[in-house]
Amino acid sequence: GENVEQHPSTLSVQEGDSAVIKCTYSDSASNYFPWYKQELGKGPQLIIDIRSNVGEKKDQRIAVTLNKTAKHFSLHITETQPEDSAVYFCAAYDPGGGADGLTFGKGTHLIIQP
Amino acid sequence: DAGVIQSPRHEVTEMGQEVTLRCKPISGHNSLFWYRQTMMRGLELLIYFNNNVPIDDSGMPEDRFSAKMPNASFSTLKIQPSEPRDSAVYFCASSFGTSGNTGELFFGEGSRLTVL
Repeated sequence: GENVEQHPSTLSVQEGDSAVIKCTYSDSASNYFPWYKQELGKGPQLIIDIRSNVGEKKDQRIAVTLNKTAKHFSLHITETQPEDSAVYFCAAYDPGGGADGLTFGKGTHLIIQP
Repeated sequence: DAGVIQSPRHEVTEMGQEVTLRCKPISGHNSLFWYRQTMMRGLELLIYFNNNVPIDDSGMPEDRFSAKMPNASFSTLKIQPSEPRDSAVYFCASSFGTSGNTGELFFGEGSRLTVL
């Protein structure tokens, strides 16, 4: 089955700096890569996603890049703000992975220092 | 829409007691998922329903766990008997998707379970 590794587990950056979270996946058949943000006491919420026919996608201060050959994908947040503090999860979807092929990484706790 | 609604938000119980967690998915969604979140293991999929039918329950830890979806607007996750190692946050999520083309998962706010 699919295996998703996510790094780092904790990331602390100064407000205004950029943050990068990286994930690798194992199954080359995976074709959909969402990122979820989980604020304290809440459920994860989708913030951006990318499909395997695209190398990069941007939405205001957040962007996601995908390297299919290396099986890497990354989340980039620029000009970080206090409200970006949260736990971020990457995931990979394998359409042949059974009824539900979405596998999550273990999460990254992003801390924005004022 | 109010989103995915879960109850209770918090549950504290004693070992051996029965626990029932409830979920109301977003109207119109055809898939429902139960996840468990712990620090050690992250987000684990327990069971997945499609059109009210359990499709994959391979993530259910053991026979003490059971889940039902009697209709499109309600699902339960039951633990009987509960054990301290079941302490976790349990999330319900729903989506509208078809096989091979996952839709966005919408999560509820979770049920935090503590078993003493």
